[in-house]
Amino acid sequence: GEDVEQSLFLSVREGDSSVINCTYTDSSSTYLYWYKQEPGAGLQLLTYIFSNMDMKQDQRLTVLLNKKDKHLSLRIADTQTGDSAIYFCAEGLTSGTYKYIFGTGTRLKVLA
Amino acid sequence: DTEVTQTPKHLVMGMTNKKSLKCEQHMGHRAMYWYKQKAKKPPELMFVYSYEKLSINESVPSRFSPECPNSSLLNLHLHALQPEDSALYLCASSQEGTPPDTQYFGPGTRLTVL
Repeated sequence: GEDVEQSLFLSVREGDSSVINCTYTDSSSTYLYWYKQEPGAGLQLLTYIFSNMDMKQDQRLTVLLNKKDKHLSLRIADTQTGDSAIYFCAEGLTSGTYKYIFGTGTRLKVLA
Repeated sequence: DTEVTQTPKHLVMGMTNKKSLKCEQHMGHRAMYWYKQKAKKPPELMFVYSYEKLSINESVPSRFSPECPNSSLLNLHLHALQPEDSALYLCASSQEGTPPDTQYFGPGTRLTVL
């Protein structure tokens, strides 16, 4: 199957950590990605992780991957009001032409 | 430079009009994509061009017609659209075949069909 699920909404206070979760179903994915979308804008690549890795850290962002459970998470440390946006995970599938399957998206609201 | 540009930013058209959306990238990417995104939903893949050839058409109605004149340009020709086609249309590009095959997105064209 090609379903990628995320929780719809997350609200955190400024300065706290945010954890956004993603569950995917296709074990053949090679890379998994996180994108941020602000209102009325395109998608901005945040980070990605190779499917053979467990963790990747990039400044305030930490990606954790549990391949056995097909679970991906994005942790944002010291969350700021500018982090308020919709976050999409995506898995890259290599059957035929490489393409993404996007998750359902999580709306992050950061309270001042 | 990781920029993908799209024109126009906004487009309003009637159901009998013919219009085109344009997308351009100068990153040397050989794969280009059209996505449709409805409000509060993830992007849905429409078309993929790989080395200027159409490689994926996700059963998109024929009132949407893609064109890839060269490796830097991607067009989406629109004709006889329906109000339910109103959405944000996103273009993306990637260096296909080079891991991690990251897609870079343009800002989108907000289309309203009256």
